[in-house]
Amino acid sequence: GAGVSQSPSNKVTEKGKDVELRCDPISGHTALYWYRQSLGQGLEFLIYFQGNSAPDKSGLPSDRFSAERTGGSVSTLTIQRTQQEDSAVYLCASQGGYYNEQFFGPGTRLTVL
Amino acid sequence: AQSVTQPDIHITVSEGASLELRCNYSYGATPYLFWYVQSPGQGLQLLLKYFSGDTLVQGIKGFEAEFKRSQSSFNLRKPSVHWSDAAEYFCAVGATGTASKLTFGTGTRLQVTL
Repeated sequence: GAGVSQSPSNKVTEKGKDVELRCDPISGHTALYWYRQSLGQGLEFLIYFQGNSAPDKSGLPSDRFSAERTGGSVSTLTIQRTQQEDSAVYLCASQGGYYNEQFFGPGTRLTVL
Repeated sequence: AQSVTQPDIHITVSEGASLELRCNYSYGATPYLFWYVQSPGQGLQLLLKYFSGDTLVQGIKGFEAEFKRSQSSFNLRKPSVHWSDAAEYFCAVGATGTASKLTFGTGTRLQVTL
């Protein structure tokens, strides 16, 4: 597609449930990033993919968080046993173009009740 | 470690007035610098970027920013603000190289009065 897409746009879940967030990057972009935007922490890096590999997972806040990327394209971020502090907007960005810019998707707003 | 400081949490300007949003960064070498804008409920849109060369960079929507190495600053400016510029603005720094995570400032919320 023309830009980065993310689904769902909104997700409300109960504490303790698992959730999956999806990111479709711009076609041909090999690098993909996940960030989290929350009131208390601002915008923070979670994980970076180059192709299907994740050379940098340093931002994942706990082992309840995991991500994968398949076919060098779609990525899913999974949060297990969600907690209220996981409530945030999860942003995905793919990187490419002449200057290797990061292009952001609209985000998934996650609310954990 | 890289870091970004945006000292102004909230700024209010009148439509037609000039605007300057401050950004200071910390990075061990020449950084890649970015300004993004986020409207309510929207993702981040890149306004402009500095990689190298001319220290005054032009972006979209009439914005410009100047890289000042001696002050570790990358302030965003616009000569005449429009009501539609009301949004949150984020400065970000990335390491040089083909792939690099971005470190963001805490953002400056811009309010425009008519």
